[in-house]
Amino acid sequence: SQQGEEDPQALSIQEGENATMNCSYKTSINNLQWYRQNSGRGLVHLILIRSNEREKHSGRLRVTLDTSKKSSSLLITASRAADTASYFCATDAGRGAQKLVFGQGTRLTINP
Amino acid sequence: NAGVTQTPKFRVLKTGQSMTLLCAQDMNHEYMYWYRQDPGMGLRLIHYSVGEGTTAKGEVPDGYNVSRLKKQNFLLGLESAAPSQTSVYFCASSYFGGAGELFFGEGSRLTVL
Repeated sequence: SQQGEEDPQALSIQEGENATMNCSYKTSINNLQWYRQNSGRGLVHLILIRSNEREKHSGRLRVTLDTSKKSSSLLITASRAADTASYFCATDAGRGAQKLVFGQGTRLTINP
Repeated sequence: NAGVTQTPKFRVLKTGQSMTLLCAQDMNHEYMYWYRQDPGMGLRLIHYSVGEGTTAKGEVPDGYNVSRLKKQNFLLGLESAAPSQTSVYFCASSYFGGAGELFFGEGSRLTVL
């Protein structure tokens, strides 16, 4: 079974607006990662947040992690048409963090 | 830098045929993974490897076999393809396993008729 679940499944906003996507997971983690996938392409790593971190920034991206609620959010500020993509959260699974388990993704559309 | 390269990019098979997908990485990563992506299902882990000569099962291993004879290559085999294996397959590699960033290939689209 998949570890993470993203919400919403799809999101459509106007260019310049902020986009927020949420991820919930089931078991304890060492880290949580966010990836982007453009249509027809492979996934690209965006950001990693460790279980002892609460917030992390990278450019226009802001990720928060609440381990008590087993949830994370990805905020993209001042969205651009090029941000149109699917976004996935992933959590390390099992001992030794050998592998990542991905959620189902949020499909984000930025309208010009 | 090539990164992670998957071949072939597209393949059409008939039910019962066999094939092998090849993944090659040039980053000297220990960890390699095969995922499949189906609409509405996200990515599901098929098999993975934590180093040359090792393999392990993921979430959906049935119907697939893998081999990691060389550190830079990870092969995914379908011995007898079924329509349920129609999917997009992604290979990924990592230096730190799940503790670090995964680098993905561009995907291999497989259709089984």
